[in-house]
Amino acid sequence: SAVISQKPSRDICQRGTSLTIQCQVDSQVTMMFWYRQQPGQSLTLIATANQGSEATYESGFVIDKFPISRPNLTFSTLTVSNMSPEDSSIYLCSVVSPRDTEAFFGQGTRLTVV
Amino acid sequence: LAKTTQPISMDSYEGQEVNITCSHNNIATNDYITWYQQFPSQGPRFIIQGYKTKVTNEVASLFIPADRKSSTLSLPRVSLSDTAVYYCLVGLDSNYQLIWGAGTKLIIKP
Repeated sequence: SAVISQKPSRDICQRGTSLTIQCQVDSQVTMMFWYRQQPGQSLTLIATANQGSEATYESGFVIDKFPISRPNLTFSTLTVSNMSPEDSSIYLCSVVSPRDTEAFFGQGTRLTVV
Repeated sequence: LAKTTQPISMDSYEGQEVNITCSHNNIATNDYITWYQQFPSQGPRFIIQGYKTKVTNEVASLFIPADRKSSTLSLPRVSLSDTAVYYCLVGLDSNYQLIWGAGTKLIIKP
């Protein structure tokens, strides 16, 4: 299993600013993902954070808006840049252990942009 | 990757057994079936996983028929704290990504 610490747990930000969300895992994991979950909706994958290389983004998400860092196998950050109210959502960090075929999630970051 | 279909919402009462069925007609031979539970303002949490027949743990049971085209999550004697969204997922794709459906919003009433 994996324990994930994600912070901040919530924030209220002004439009036009940026917020960086941190995700720390208690063990080395290969696969790490960032999701967005809008109110009442299911999870939408933003990108796969690759250690030592650029993240792989899903359709509709771009690096300029959601830059991701993955400096090692236990840590990643997601930045939400130039925020607008439409970016208000819950952002979740997740890891998958291929051996476990199970996904583990951080507690999420509730972002409100005003 | 197999697509899943679940009821959008369900209601039940405390003390009852709740069964949530998920359809996954295109499940692949190597796919496992996994259920997650998500409370408001929290990340999803693993409940149970199975491949075939029946799996039981301290939280739930998972029933999978022989053709594996559906599965049923069974929650015994639910309480108010079981109110949550329950997601059924099938397999991991080659990039170890999960495809999340809409889930089932379960509301338990007193």
